[in-house]
Amino acid sequence: QLQLQESGPGLVKPSETLSLTCTVSGGSFISNNYCWGWIRQSPGKGLEWVGTICYRGDTYYNPSLKSRLTMSVDTSKNQFSLKLSSVTAADTAIYYCTRVNIVVVPSSNFDYWGQGTLVAVSS
Amino acid sequence: QSVLTQPPSASGTPGQRVTISCSGSSSNIGSYTVSWYQQAPGTAPKVLIYTNNQRPSGVPDRFSGSKSGTSASLAISGLQSEDEADYYCAVWDNSLNDVVFGGGTKLTVL
Repeated sequence: QLQLQESGPGLVKPSETLSLTCTVSGGSFISNNYCWGWIRQSPGKGLEWVGTICYRGDTYYNPSLKSRLTMSVDTSKNQFSLKLSSVTAADTAIYYCTRVNIVVVPSSNFDYWGQGTLVAVSS
Repeated sequence: QSVLTQPPSASGTPGQRVTISCSGSSSNIGSYTVSWYQQAPGTAPKVLIYTNNQRPSGVPDRFSGSKSGTSASLAISGLQSEDEADYYCAVWDNSLNDVVFGGGTKLTVL
């Protein structure tokens, strides 16, 4: 069974960079049918797509975050990562890493999710 | 304010059928396939429906999805207490170049 696990600091200071890594296990990381994504959820709020990266490194970012966002992939470790710079309190959220099923594109099919990690932005 | 409009709440009694709507536009639902997610309290979302009306293995056939024009719907038949959760629709939007989610519908089983 595919499993995704987020890791990274739970507290980031304003204006600094939020960094998270997702480790994938129990399934194939390299595939032409899947990419990897991040979705976040502010406390008590709805879901927001952050971005998607495929194993070759091609990226798709939420336009509202694009200027601050960098995603990368490490196929040797079955990991993908997110860096969000110049964070503010508005970036406080649960960050979920997901698998994106791209059999039909463009895709909104996030078929596997990590448990999520809460990142608070506070001094 | 999401570009996809869902009712904030819905309710039903055990055994009933409930429907949750998701209203969009030609730049999203009218052009692309819709997914639906269920999020129980304190847990990660789970995909219930993809490509408008397809169920992943393991999702009961009590859950069904449909799309017509610029709107989509999720129907839950034979409502059970464990269906109490938040439900979200999602779709690509070509004017925003973004995957957009509806604001979510909180389903209460009375």
